[in-house]
Amino acid sequence: QVQLVQSGTEVKKPGASVKVSCKASGYTFTSHAMHWVRQAPGQRLEWMGWINPGNGDTKYSQRFQGRVTITRDTSATTAYMELSSLTSEDTAVYYCASGVVVEVWGQGTLVTVSS
Amino acid sequence: EILLTQSPATLSLSPGERATLSCRVSQSISSSLAWYQQKPGQAPRLLLYHASNRATGIPARFSGSGSGTNFTLTISSLEPEDFAVYYCQQRSNWPSLTFGGGTKVEIK
Repeated sequence: QVQLVQSGTEVKKPGASVKVSCKASGYTFTSHAMHWVRQAPGQRLEWMGWINPGNGDTKYSQRFQGRVTITRDTSATTAYMELSSLTSEDTAVYYCASGVVVEVWGQGTLVTVSS
Repeated sequence: EILLTQSPATLSLSPGERATLSCRVSQSISSSLAWYQQKPGQAPRLLLYHASNRATGIPARFSGSGSGTNFTLTISSLEPEDFAVYYCQQRSNWPSLTFGGGTKVEIK
């Protein structure tokens, strides 16, 4: 079936970087956009950016511009989101999402930033 | 930047009652609006897209209406599994997405 499986929980120190992976299966990876969305504890969902897996085009939220990099490996049908210069405010669950109408979501990856 | 405001923040209702959730958008987005349901510890689940189209497997008790700047999600008769947080999301300036602040539907 169509699914997105994300990498596991991460604990990072302030100033570090984190790279989260999202492996797609059950559909043609290059056919649908891949979005990254995060949710801090008790907060709303927040869009971080997007990649076109077919040609590698990206677009990022201005809020994360310069700190986030989204890439993909088509042979591995996997997308990646790397966030740098982490602070405690980056503690959140990070989701990848895809599909014709953004109906397929990964299970989420908890990233905790703490000294 | 397109802003989405959801109301009310919390809706306290009993099973079997009708729920009406509102999403107001800061500028016209035609019908480029989706609704998601999220339960604790789970990823969001797409309910509706293009304002009123139900996603695959979504029960008919969920319906959406509106266009431009005002949108509504209606749950005709609440089932126990419907108590959750609901988010609207605009897709007008795709691929950028923006979410509302959410409405929590809780058991009265």
